Amino acid sequence: GAVVSQHPSWVICKSGTSVKIECRSLDFQATTMFWYRQFPKQSLMLMATSNEGSKATYEQGVEKDKFLINHASLTLSTLTVTSAHPEDSSFYICSARGQDRGGGNIQYFGAGTRLSVL
Amino acid sequence: AQKITQTQPGMFVQEKEAVTLDCTYDTSDQSYGLFWYKQPSSGEMIFLIYQGSYDEQNATEGRYSLNFQKARKSANLVISASQLGDSAMYFCAMREGTSGSARQLTFGSGTQLTVLP
Repeated sequence: GAVVSQHPSWVICKSGTSVKIECRSLDFQATTMFWYRQFPKQSLMLMATSNEGSKATYEQGVEKDKFLINHASLTLSTLTVTSAHPEDSSFYICSARGQDRGGGNIQYFGAGTRLSVL
Repeated sequence: AQKITQTQPGMFVQEKEAVTLDCTYDTSDQSYGLFWYKQPSSGEMIFLIYQGSYDEQNATEGRYSLNFQKARKSANLVISASQLGDSAMYFCAMREGTSGSARQLTFGSGTQLTVLP
């Protein structure tokens, strides 16, 4: 299947700093990428849909000024957590739509980023 | 109403046995897709299997098969010959609309599978 690379896998930062997370589709172009947040023992919660060359679409309750998304190319989307606070500590995971060998559109996921804000 | 329901928060299975993880869904769309993902403790989401709403045959992928019962709106995952490495959280997900649509996945709450030696 298609490969999605997410970096960094783990980040620890001080409260008030900003953290950038990168999501790359390595072997396919992705006009649409998705950013999710996951709390321990819970399911994935969609934060926003990232569209190449246009503004991201945020889900209700997600602060767009807090979670900046940039999808500057067909293979790269970034999520920046601005002025991070301890309550932003979570597991963030991105995904991109690619095609499986059967030709179906499948969402492939990155390995996720564990953010810990001290 | 929940779009994706996974009623088994935790399941245990003996190594080499088969196990079925339940998933029911709710949609008024005629065209939709159903997915299963595996999430080990490392956190990555691994795509396992996909079933389109118009696919007449149940999807299979190695030891994974999807028992698709459209009238019942269920899409259970069957894992045959369980292995210790199958221990993980399993998520059922649905995408409403056509395959080419940019709509996001809706996930169930997950089932934690533990394979016993």
